[in-house]
Amino acid sequence: GQSLEQPSEVTAVEGAIVQINCTYQTSGFYGLSWYQQHDGGAPTFLSYNALDGLEETGRFSSFLSRSDSYGYLLLQELQMKDSASYFCAVEVNRDDKIIFGKGTRLHILP
Amino acid sequence: NAGVTQTPKFQVLKTGQSMTLQCAQDMNHNSMYWYRQDPGMGLRLIYYSASEGTTDKGEVPNGYNVSRLNKREFSLRLESAAPSQTSVYFCASSDRRDGSYEQYFGPGTRLTVT
Repeated sequence: GQSLEQPSEVTAVEGAIVQINCTYQTSGFYGLSWYQQHDGGAPTFLSYNALDGLEETGRFSSFLSRSDSYGYLLLQELQMKDSASYFCAVEVNRDDKIIFGKGTRLHILP
Repeated sequence: NAGVTQTPKFQVLKTGQSMTLQCAQDMNHNSMYWYRQDPGMGLRLIYYSASEGTTDKGEVPNGYNVSRLNKREFSLRLESAAPSQTSVYFCASSDRRDGSYEQYFGPGTRLTVT
């Protein structure tokens, strides 16, 4: 089976940096993705890691450690529009099966 | 290029009624998915289809059936709706490109079963 753990809520200040962690227990792990979802909207893709290390895309970075079954999403220079829910998701067995975590609600204070 | 489209956007059913949720994508993706989202539960995979002609169960398949009609379309059917199936349903499609694997989601169908 698969299980993913991420904090239910995180609060940070505008302009700061925040890290959202994700640990997983998955047989046949292949890759880790991150998605953003604003209230009332659909999830949108942020990043994908299949190899260990850091991937950077603008203000967002994502890290994966396969040996620790752990990843994180790093958001820099936080803006109010970053207030949203963030989901980690694992790809299983490279057969296109994607399982999501329960999500982390990010609150940003001015 | 519409991406992933879903119909209907909203639906109210009575317990025991049946309905089909429609999903189509115009990105020529091989894989398609159905998820449900309930408050505090994240997105839970109902069924997925890795290619035309194949379907596989996800985490919560009971009470649902799917059809991969062709490469573009993937429908989800509730044969006898129950209040526990009240949820927001998202369809997604994806493909592997340049070492990445990105899912594209439709706008969702908000279903209420009374």
